[in-house]
Amino acid sequence: QVQLTESGPGLVHPSETLSLTCTVSGFSLTGYSVYWVRQPSGKGLEWMGRMRYNGDTSYNSALKSRLSISRDTSKNQVFLKMNSLQTDDTGTYYCTRANYFDYWGQGVMVTVSS
Amino acid sequence: DVVMTQTPPSLSVAIGQSVSISCKSSQSLVYSDGKTYLHWLLQSPGRSPKRLIYQVSNLGSGVPDRFSGTGSQKDFTLKISRVEAEDLGVYYCAQTTHFPWTFGGGTKLELK
Repeated sequence: QVQLTESGPGLVHPSETLSLTCTVSGFSLTGYSVYWVRQPSGKGLEWMGRMRYNGDTSYNSALKSRLSISRDTSKNQVFLKMNSLQTDDTGTYYCTRANYFDYWGQGVMVTVSS
Repeated sequence: DVVMTQTPPSLSVAIGQSVSISCKSSQSLVYSDGKTYLHWLLQSPGRSPKRLIYQVSNLGSGVPDRFSGTGSQKDFTLKISRVEAEDLGVYYCAQTTHFPWTFGGGTKLELK
């Protein structure tokens, strides 16, 4: 069945770089796009960017200067890197299949703190 | 960016009651292909979001038919008939017509 699993560090220091991995199963990254979505604690959802099925990427312009999304299709993984983290980047980060958000990972909580 | 405005921000309901949630967009969500990419999600407490409805009115797999979506252009509604306890949580509308994709602020459905 379709699964997405996020992984990464729970704590990042201010100004450092966040690196997250989304490992997928039950579908191919060359057949479906994958989005990254984040949720500040107690707040709503923000679309961050996407890895398209053909390898192209798109980013939310609000984050574009800090964000990079890549993939390794042989490992069924999509990667997110975001630099210059600040405290307001604290929250839960999700990956979701881009078939109108039909499947989501469990999310990974990231705290930005010194 | 397209602003998605949901009302009300919260709803207090009794089990068995029917409720409606509104989602209005700052631009028409009709894409150049003629389709409307407006979707509804539910985030139950402590859980990841779950898709309920896609493209305005299409029920997601396994979603009970107590849920229904209507609307067009800039004005959309999610209706829940006969609310059950498992329906409680925060509902979000989302658009994937215009970049960047954006979400409504959420409507929290609570038990009366």
